Amino acid sequence: GNSVTQMEGPVTLSEEAFLTINCTYTATGYPSLFWYVQYPGEGLQLLLKATKADDKGSNKGFEATYRKETTSFHLEKGSVQVSDSAVYFCALDNTGFQKLVFGTGTRLLVSP
Amino acid sequence: DAGVIQSPRHEVTEMGQEVTLRCKPISGHDYLFWYRQTMMRGLELLIYFNNNVPIDDSGMPEDRFSAKMPNASFSTLKIQPSEPRDSAVYFCASSRTLAGVADTQYFGPGTRLTVL
Repeated sequence: GNSVTQMEGPVTLSEEAFLTINCTYTATGYPSLFWYVQYPGEGLQLLLKATKADDKGSNKGFEATYRKETTSFHLEKGSVQVSDSAVYFCALDNTGFQKLVFGTGTRLLVSP
Repeated sequence: DAGVIQSPRHEVTEMGQEVTLRCKPISGHDYLFWYRQTMMRGLELLIYFNNNVPIDDSGMPEDRFSAKMPNASFSTLKIQPSEPRDSAVYFCASSRTLAGVADTQYFGPGTRLTVL
């Protein structure tokens, strides 16, 4: 079946540090891949997405590249801010109908 | 746009009571999704609708759960009777069809349900 595996959190960083959150997936076919972010007390928001191999999604300084050979979609940011503290979810869809399969989420804590 | 609206934001009830959660999707969106989020199981898709018709309810945990979408601007998720293990945050999300496929999902703020 389809599944997404994320690194366990929390990830604790100081402001301006480099961020990597690992995500690997198992899926049939060629899924679209997503990163969603959930701020405290809010619903999830789409952060970025990639729909085919070697595509790079980017938004708000975050980037992730769709690597088919390693079935990965790792999230990176060069310099994190306190305001980036949130829970980050990796997800996939191989139906075309946004029937998303989510990872368990990774909590990021950024201290000043 | 007001975004996806959910009510109530918090619900506390006693075991055995009926619970109804409500969702108003973004105007013009033709897909609506219900999710449940718990610490143990993460984020699970319960059911989704397209043009008010339930398409896939394979994630609905059991017969105690039911969902309806009587029109394009309103959906309900009902639990009857409720049990403590139903305690979770329930999210509603909506999306539109773009180029023949469902586009980005927009999530509501969620309803935090506590069953005592």
